Amino acid sequence: NAGVTQTPKFQVLKTGQSMTLQCAQDMNHEYMSWYRQDPGMGLRLIHYSVGAGITDQGEVPNGYNVSRSTTEDFPLRLLSAAPSQTSVYFCASSRLGPDTQYFGPGTRLTVL
Amino acid sequence: SQQGEEDPQALSIQEGENATMNCSYKTSINNLQWYRQNSGRGLVHLILIRSNEREKHSGRLRVTLDTSKKSSSLLITASRAADTASYFCATDASGGSNYKLTFGKGTLLTVNP
Repeated sequence: NAGVTQTPKFQVLKTGQSMTLQCAQDMNHEYMSWYRQDPGMGLRLIHYSVGAGITDQGEVPNGYNVSRSTTEDFPLRLLSAAPSQTSVYFCASSRLGPDTQYFGPGTRLTVL
Repeated sequence: SQQGEEDPQALSIQEGENATMNCSYKTSINNLQWYRQNSGRGLVHLILIRSNEREKHSGRLRVTLDTSKKSSSLLITASRAADTASYFCATDASGGSNYKLTFGKGTLLTVNP
């Protein structure tokens, strides 16, 4: 099993550009989530999904969109990037609900 | 807002010593989890303790949970240089259809050889 994979590993964007961060898992997990990690702030939940076709907002959802068309994939879209979105983004999955989470390696995003 | 808060923010010890980190939280919970993050990497799950449990062990790790004080502690015994990492607690609040996991800001542990 590859576990949770994220692409790209690094990305630099200009203000106003859009992009999609990819996340995939091969463990047949129902629950998937996106976090951002900023220095001194720990991890903050952006969006999560309890199964295909079901998504909900976390603590800091503004500026981000998600969809869950399959069990395996949970992409995160930045509609119009802003410098405040410079961060490290982590995707995680679990079998069911906020139980033991399996994290991807992260995407380091810089918005200029 | 952060549900869990770790204490201390940073801890430096010598190899072979024990390391204790604490986590306090604000609302009633279903579970409390501890994760480790090596620099620049994703988080790795260490241990989960349920609200009806008081203590749990896994190898050199010992976790306690005091729901009356809304606090938990993580003890790493006989620490090694490889234990150097940030440690986070995470909670999911009880009640309703809550599916959100909330992380604290972490404790940075440095184990000196």
